[in-house]
Amino acid sequence: QKEVEQDPGPLSVPEGAIVSLNCTYSNSAFQYFMWYRQYSRKGPELLMYTYSSGNKEDGRFTAQVDKSSKYISLFIRDSQPSDSATYLCAMSGGGGSYIPTFGRGTSLIVHP
Amino acid sequence: NAGVTQTPKFQVLKTGQSMTLQCAQDMNHNSMYWYRQDPGMGLRLIYYSASEGTTDKGEVPNGYNVSRLNKREFSLRLESAAPSQTSVYFCASSAGQGFYTFGSGTRLTVV
Repeated sequence: QKEVEQDPGPLSVPEGAIVSLNCTYSNSAFQYFMWYRQYSRKGPELLMYTYSSGNKEDGRFTAQVDKSSKYISLFIRDSQPSDSATYLCAMSGGGGSYIPTFGRGTSLIVHP
Repeated sequence: NAGVTQTPKFQVLKTGQSMTLQCAQDMNHNSMYWYRQDPGMGLRLIYYSASEGTTDKGEVPNGYNVSRLNKREFSLRLESAAPSQTSVYFCASSAGQGFYTFGSGTRLTVV
């Protein structure tokens, strides 16, 4: 079992839909939970992060962490074609290491 | 406001040739990293440098060497390129907690 599991997709949705992207993990010691967005032929960029459990909202994006289930989610409201990208989850802080463990990424396509 | 700069952006090598990928950051970060990204494999850590003067192996270090030249610069060297090293290479820097700033990548093809 990999330390972080993420469905690669692709996930195809119509413009305006609510998108849910998810990751599961096995290391209960993780403390920081991150979402990176990677456009085609570009480097990943940090989109959002949360510390420990709970929700964090930033505009149309909401990050959610459920440590009891070892499950994290990224919700995108009113999705736009410009949201089409690969979304990578990442976690760090397990065992004192802040080198993140990345999921393999989910490809999202938002079509007009 | 450059962030992390990688050169070159593209490179084609013949098997057995050597090359150095350059990376520089202007954010005064202590930690720097080299990753490769392959389809279906995600990001895999090659080497990292937690601070100036230190380097450590990551998940896939074989066939690579690194140099932390100073706080700003961290280079990755392929001494004898192999087709298995065809990949997209990303450099990243971090101030901590795994919050990375990535460069735009180097697309390397080894023929």
